[in-house]
Amino acid sequence: SQTIHQWPATLVQPVGSPLSLECTVEGTSNPNLYWYRQAAGRGLQLLFYSVGIGQISSEVPQNLSASRPQDRQFILSSKKLLLSDSGFYLCAWSRDRRTDTQYFGPGTRLTVL
Amino acid sequence: QKEVEQDPGPLSVPEGAIVSLNCTYSNSAFQYFMWYRQYSRKGPELLMYTYSSGNKEDGRFTAQVDKSSKYISLFIRDSQPSDSATYLCAMSAGNTGNQFYFGTGTSLTVIP
Repeated sequence: SQTIHQWPATLVQPVGSPLSLECTVEGTSNPNLYWYRQAAGRGLQLLFYSVGIGQISSEVPQNLSASRPQDRQFILSSKKLLLSDSGFYLCAWSRDRRTDTQYFGPGTRLTVL
Repeated sequence: QKEVEQDPGPLSVPEGAIVSLNCTYSNSAFQYFMWYRQYSRKGPELLMYTYSSGNKEDGRFTAQVDKSSKYISLFIRDSQPSDSATYLCAMSAGNTGNQFYFGTGTSLTVIP
């Protein structure tokens, strides 16, 4: 069966510091991978998605970036965090990005102070 | 107009009640419909997945899609305190677009 991991689970960072959140998927190959941010009362905001190694599409312009160095690894980064980057970050995977459902990881709660 | 509208609640019901959760949407091209359950501080977990119109039942959960009205529902029978969570609807057109569209979630509390 497939499993998706995210770490860290929680993170408190000062404004201006760098960020690296990691997501890995087990039990499948060539998954489509997604990064979402969830804010209270605002639903899920798609940040990035990837259909393969090194292929990243950005949905929202911001100071975040994503990379996919390996087939089942997806990384969310920032060089300098803003207060507005605080939120709950979710990684998800799917087999087919058009028709298949998405399966979510446990999430990372980021607080920028 | 948002692609997907979902009443945020909160919804509070006694244990054993039938719960009805709903979403409306504007894009008639949506064909794939999902319901997720999200416990506090956890990632969403898939509950139901349906294609096109009709009903789908899984235990105490029934998902209903009415494409003519652009309306989907999730019914929970014999609700339990463990059903207390936020429920998110999601949908996709299944065409060349990538987007899954999510509702903002309805917060449900089942009171023992």
